[in-house]
Amino acid sequence: LAKTTQPISMDSYEGQEVNITCSHNNIATNDYITWYQQFPSQGPRFIIQGYKTKVTNEVASLFIPADRKSSTLSLPRVSLSDTAVYYCLVGGFLTGTASKLTFGTGTRLQVTL
Amino acid sequence: DAGVIQSPRHEVTEMGQEVTLRCKPISGHDYLFWYRQTMMRGLELLIYFNNNVPIDDSGMPEDRFSAKMPNASFSTLKIQPSEPRDSAVYFCASQGESSGNTIYFGEGSWLTVV
Repeated sequence: LAKTTQPISMDSYEGQEVNITCSHNNIATNDYITWYQQFPSQGPRFIIQGYKTKVTNEVASLFIPADRKSSTLSLPRVSLSDTAVYYCLVGGFLTGTASKLTFGTGTRLQVTL
Repeated sequence: DAGVIQSPRHEVTEMGQEVTLRCKPISGHDYLFWYRQTMMRGLELLIYFNNNVPIDDSGMPEDRFSAKMPNASFSTLKIQPSEPRDSAVYFCASQGESSGNTIYFGEGSWLTVV
């Protein structure tokens, strides 16, 4: 099972870059790495997904080393509105079972002025 | 697309009553998931369907919980009888070929059993 491990919480000041790392030592060959953001009273929302190397979109970057045993979500210049819980999810639907689709504890990011 | 639609958004019920939560997945998605979120246990996968067929229900806590998907556009999660420890947010999510490996979540159904 590709169990994930993330820091429980992180603090940042507005305008800083925030990097959240997720460990997934037994990731399978067909597994993708997906990051979700969750605000209070809302469902998790897709941020970014990758398989290897680096992926960038309009809100974040995802860095995945060659061994894929970890991944880092990078949020550039965070604002107060980025305060949320961030989840790393490892799995792939073509080969996955329900156990691969379980979220970890997430990282609670608190952004302050 | 309207996204994953869940109802009710909030429900308060008395212990012992039957609770039915409903979900409309994104059109064209062939996977549907039911998750439960609590402070103590985080996000737990309860059951998921592929093409309306239940694939894995090992996360369903006990026989009081049941889920159905009679067609591609509708699913229900039923709790009978409900207990206070069932109080949680229940999320429905869907995924399909058009969304790759991305799961899209609804806004959740907030259940309180008193």
